Amino acid sequence: EDQVTQSPEALRLQEGESSSLNCSYTVSGLRGLFWYRQDPGKGPEFLFTLYSAGEEKEKERLKATLTKKESFLHITAPKPEDSATYLCAVRRGSTLGRLYFGRGTQLTVWP
Amino acid sequence: DVKVTQSSRYLVKRTGEKVFLECVQDMDHENMFWYRQDPGLGLRLIYFSYDVKMKEKGDIPEGYSVSREKKERFSLILESASTNQTSMYLCASQSLAGGHEQYFGPGTRLTVT
Repeated sequence: EDQVTQSPEALRLQEGESSSLNCSYTVSGLRGLFWYRQDPGKGPEFLFTLYSAGEEKEKERLKATLTKKESFLHITAPKPEDSATYLCAVRRGSTLGRLYFGRGTQLTVWP
Repeated sequence: DVKVTQSSRYLVKRTGEKVFLECVQDMDHENMFWYRQDPGLGLRLIYFSYDVKMKEKGDIPEGYSVSREKKERFSLILESASTNQTSMYLCASQSLAGGHEQYFGPGTRLTVT
């Protein structure tokens, strides 16, 4: 069964229009929630790790937050260069470090 | 910076050929992973390795094997390539010290004709 579900599948924003991406998870014993950015034809690039409910991390226009059931990636005043697919992944306990990935949200920011 | 390199960016092979994809990491990471990525299916784990000569099956190991003879190198082998193995293949490495994030290589776009 899906342990990580991302929504929406695709999101189109006008430049400057802030929004949020959602990652909901059903695993128990969360050992970390990870956000990645992936540009077309390239490997995913690590952005953030969150470990506990209430934690927040920021990087430029991106801010990730975590609750007990989901994480949000907030994008403030996005620019066209923020266009990419954003992937969420979780790590459970006792899995030798394996991550379980969602299918991603494809973000397009148009000028 | 962590660097993960993959032997080829693009590869075209014929059905039935034996295919080797190589991945090298330069950060002395314990874990290494092979994924394939297909539109609409996301990242799917094929195999991973947590130590030299040690391996674990992922979700879709059928038709693949792996080899890890040195800590820095992890190879994915397609014993007899088939057209349904046409995909983007991504390698990742991970340290067990620190945050456990995975670092990915640039990917190999494999086409089997």
